[in-house]
Amino acid sequence: SQQGEEDPQALSIQEGENATMNCSYKTSINNLQWYRQNSGRGLVHLILIRSNEREKHSGRLRVTLDTSKKSSSLLITASRAADTASYFCATDSGGGTSYGKLTFGQGTILTVHP
Amino acid sequence: DAGVIQSPRHEVTEMGQEVTLRCKPISGHNSLFWYRQTMMRGLELLIYFNNNVPIDDSGMPEDRFSAKMPNASFSTLKIQPSEPRDSAVYFCASSLDRGMNTEAFFGQGTRLTVV
Repeated sequence: SQQGEEDPQALSIQEGENATMNCSYKTSINNLQWYRQNSGRGLVHLILIRSNEREKHSGRLRVTLDTSKKSSSLLITASRAADTASYFCATDSGGGTSYGKLTFGQGTILTVHP
Repeated sequence: DAGVIQSPRHEVTEMGQEVTLRCKPISGHNSLFWYRQTMMRGLELLIYFNNNVPIDDSGMPEDRFSAKMPNASFSTLKIQPSEPRDSAVYFCASSLDRGMNTEAFFGQGTRLTVV
């Protein structure tokens, strides 16, 4: 079963608007990561937030993490048509030799209209 | 670096045939993952290697699936015999295990169609 659950499943916005995607998970984590997947391609790592961090920025991306609520959000500001893709959260709950073992959510399909 | 390389990119095979998917991880990475992606089930972790040793194969669906990593630069995922429900995109990913906080690098995937 999937650890992370994204919300919404699909999001359609206009270029220039902000896009917010949410992720909830069930067990304790070492870190939470967000990945992007363009149609027919592999996943590309966007950003990693550690369990002891609450917010992280990378360019137009802002990620928050609330471990008490077991949830995270990804905000893409000033969206562009090129941001159209599926976005996945992934949790790393491993320990010992299992660090780096990621469990992915179902993803949010983002469409940005020019 | 060329990234994670998977072959073939597309595979169409008949039910009952053996299928072998191949992966070359990024040089220097010591963890390797095989994932399967379908519309119904999303991304599922099949098996995870660390330093060429299988650590967790709990996601391997059945005995028809097997994976090997004979050395640090090569891994295979084999399905024998294949069935139509195995149709999916199979991804290989690698990472450098530095303890906590490790990102994964994905290949382009192999789209498998079993008819």
